[in-house]
Amino acid sequence: AQSVSQHNHHVILSEAASLELGCNYSYGGTVNLFWYVQYPGQHLQLLLKYFSGDPLVKGIKGFEAEFIKSKFSFNLRKPSVQWSDTAEYFCAVNAMAGGGNKLTFGTGTQLKVEL
Amino acid sequence: DAGITQSPRHKVTETGTPVTLRCHQTENHRYMYWYRQDPGHGLRLIHYSYGVKDTDKGEVSDGYSVSRSKTEDFLLTLESATSSQTSVYFCAISELTQTYEQYFGPGTRLTVT
Repeated sequence: AQSVSQHNHHVILSEAASLELGCNYSYGGTVNLFWYVQYPGQHLQLLLKYFSGDPLVKGIKGFEAEFIKSKFSFNLRKPSVQWSDTAEYFCAVNAMAGGGNKLTFGTGTQLKVEL
Repeated sequence: DAGITQSPRHKVTETGTPVTLRCHQTENHRYMYWYRQDPGHGLRLIHYSYGVKDTDKGEVSDGYSVSRSKTEDFLLTLESATSSQTSVYFCAISELTQTYEQYFGPGTRLTVT
């Protein structure tokens, strides 16, 4: 079964700092990869996704992520964070073979951006 | 936002009582899911459905059952609620697409006392 690891559980940054959140997955086959964001008190929203093609994908609100197949990684980045980026971020993977439409989520990274 | 509603949004119940949570979608998506979200665990899949009357277990299905009699509705039932089932429950939907992304409902906060 696939698994997803998010090693940074809590991250605190000042506004305008750069962000990189790690995500590693364990599955050797073809995968679809996602980052979701959950703002305080809200439901999960899709930030960006990778399914094929250019390994550098751009999402909403200035976020991007890079798929590095050799490292089984899909790290999330943003050059300059804003206070409004304070939220919890979840990485998720869909294993194409046998996974069907199921996603496996990481445990999440709580990001706090200070003014 | 995808047309997904969950009811109730908040519920407090006592240990041993049955509880049913409802997820309703207006997107006509084939797949529906129930997750629970707990601190330190992220989202864990309870059950999912791949069509009317077609359901399967997820990784944390013990103590839960589901039913889907119509495309738009997916019910999650706790037959006899326990304190360990205190959690936030999210419903999600997806369709047969190349990318398999899921869209989430607003969640139900359940407290079992």
